[in-house]
Amino acid sequence: QKEVEQNSGPLSVPEGAIASLNCTYSDRGSQSFFWYRQYSGKSPELIMFIYSNGDKEDGRFTAQLNKASQYVSLLIRDSQPSDSATYLCAVSRRNQGGKLIFGQGTELSVKP
Amino acid sequence: GAGVSQSPRYKVTKRGQDVALRCDPISGHVSLYWYRQALGQGPEFLTYFNYEAQQDKSGLPNDRFSAERPEGSISTLTIQRTEQRDSAMYRCASSSGRGAEAFFGQGTRLTVV
Repeated sequence: QKEVEQNSGPLSVPEGAIASLNCTYSDRGSQSFFWYRQYSGKSPELIMFIYSNGDKEDGRFTAQLNKASQYVSLLIRDSQPSDSATYLCAVSRRNQGGKLIFGQGTELSVKP
Repeated sequence: GAGVSQSPRYKVTKRGQDVALRCDPISGHVSLYWYRQALGQGPEFLTYFNYEAQQDKSGLPNDRFSAERPEGSISTLTIQRTEQRDSAMYRCASSSGRGAEAFFGQGTRLTVV
């Protein structure tokens, strides 16, 4: 079992819809959770992070964390074609200095 | 610098040769991380530094891989006796400290032929 698991996709949604991206992790010692966006041929860029159970909203993005279920999700409201990218879930553990463990990423395609 | 800078952007080398990949982090960033990313996969942790001290090298695949950051700024990842399986995108990231956002460089695409 991989430490961080994501469906590789591709996930295809129409423009204006809500895109829902999911991630599970195996280590209960995981403390911090991150969503990175990676456009094709580019480097990952951080879009959201969450530390506490519940929801965290930033513009069109909402991160959700459920530590009991070891589940993290990212919702993108009013999806735009420019949101088409690979979304990487990453976790870090206590006392590991910010070292990130990444999932394989979910490819999102937003169709006009 | 304005962002994390990696050089070279592309490196083609023959099997058995040594290569050195360079990372220049954002000025003042304490922590520096090396990752390797295969096509269609997420980045895989290799090693990281706080200042000049290598804190964790558990992700280095074998003893052909080494990294240093002698003055706490620029870092070099060295791969000795390269093999075809070493071909990948090597990414460097830096952050201002534990828990802070990590910024990635553009990566070095290594191809071993």
